[in-house]
Amino acid sequence: GAVVSQHPSRVICKSGTSVKIECRSLDFQATTMFWYRQFPKQSLMLMATSNEGSKATYEQGVEKDKFLINHASLTLSTLTVTSAHPEDSSFYICSARDRGGRVGYTFGSGTRLTVV
Amino acid sequence: AQKITQTQPGMFVQEKEAVTLDCTYDTSDQSYGLFWYKQPSSGEMIFLIYQGSYDEQNATEGRYSLNFQKARKSANLVISASQLGDSAMYFCAMRETGDKLIFGTGTRLQVFP
Repeated sequence: GAVVSQHPSRVICKSGTSVKIECRSLDFQATTMFWYRQFPKQSLMLMATSNEGSKATYEQGVEKDKFLINHASLTLSTLTVTSAHPEDSSFYICSARDRGGRVGYTFGSGTRLTVV
Repeated sequence: AQKITQTQPGMFVQEKEAVTLDCTYDTSDQSYGLFWYKQPSSGEMIFLIYQGSYDEQNATEGRYSLNFQKARKSANLVISASQLGDSAMYFCAMRETGDKLIFGTGTRLQVFP
């Protein structure tokens, strides 16, 4: 079945630095990827929709200059958290639209970001 | 306005019993899809079941079934013969315009022996 590989699974960074999270579709072409953020014991909140070859579409309230999304190829989307602060600490998870699959969406395994 | 509502923050069920997790949704689209996902403590999102708005039959996948009542805009998940491994967070989600998948607030299910 369709697989989305997300790296890293865990990252700890210092406040003020930037962190890049990668999501790669392994056996299908993902023209659209979605990035979610999940605080402890809360739901998945959609941050942005990433489209291959074009600018990402951000949800209301999400700072596009802080959360940079690049979808340079049909198999890779990246989320860069710039100038990270402790309040950015969260679980970030990507999802790819798999049009050929029965399920339709394939999720990465998530990245737990801790900013110290 | 919340588009996906899960009113049960937590549910308990005894092993081998059935449990229903509630989900109501709000949309003006004629074509939409409803999903249920399981999220264990590891964080991964595990697809359980899907119901299309035009599907006439309720979806079933093994021990999971979806009680789809279109007029009431509800899509409740029924887990039969609960197992200890079913303990996890369960999220109802809806695919809306633009293919975005929007999630409810989730229900924490705990299965006890």
